[in-house]
Amino acid sequence: QQQVKQSPQSLIVQKGGISIINCAYENTAFDYFPWYQQFPGKGPALLIAIRPDVSEKKEGRFTISFNKSAKQFSLHIMDSQPGDSATYFCAASRGTGANNLFFGTGTRLTVIP
Amino acid sequence: DAGVIQSPRHEVTEMGQEVTLRCKPISGHDYLFWYRQTMMRGLELLIYFNNNVPIDDSGMPEDRFSAKMPNASFSTLKIQPSEPRDSAVYFCASRRDRGGEQFFGPGTRLTVL
Repeated sequence: QQQVKQSPQSLIVQKGGISIINCAYENTAFDYFPWYQQFPGKGPALLIAIRPDVSEKKEGRFTISFNKSAKQFSLHIMDSQPGDSATYFCAASRGTGANNLFFGTGTRLTVIP
Repeated sequence: DAGVIQSPRHEVTEMGQEVTLRCKPISGHDYLFWYRQTMMRGLELLIYFNNNVPIDDSGMPEDRFSAKMPNASFSTLKIQPSEPRDSAVYFCASRRDRGGEQFFGPGTRLTVL
């Protein structure tokens, strides 16, 4: 059973556009929600993370929006660039750095020039 | 720092053969994780170690899988005998302490024919 559901599976965005990836979870005990970025042939790397005590976190062009009541969170990439083309994974766990990270199935983002 | 090192990067074997995947964590990291990545199930935690001791192996799919960490700088994941459904990318990750970020290696792509 998938603990974290992620959509869409793939996404194509024009350069300069906004990329939006959505995730939903069921376990209300989750309190740490990271996003990972993975380039081909590489392992996932932490991009940005949020705790449920805030509704939004922004780092540069990347923003996480969090809706605790709906048990949903999303990643927004503003001014998307071809270099952002990668696979993005959302994840959830209990506690920052918790040992058991539950990952979504990933979204392959392609930003076309 | 060289990051998490995994070998081999690619492994092709025949059904029934023994497969050994290797991982060298980042020096000074106390936690080591083994993940499996497939298209259908995404990233799944198989097992993790703390200070070379296996803490949670509930994600190991069956007895054909085993993992060891004989010292702080080396871990192995063994599959014996291998089956075609074991084909996946296997990632190793390490983390300094309980509250830290997990750093992933480049992965081993395993193909069992």
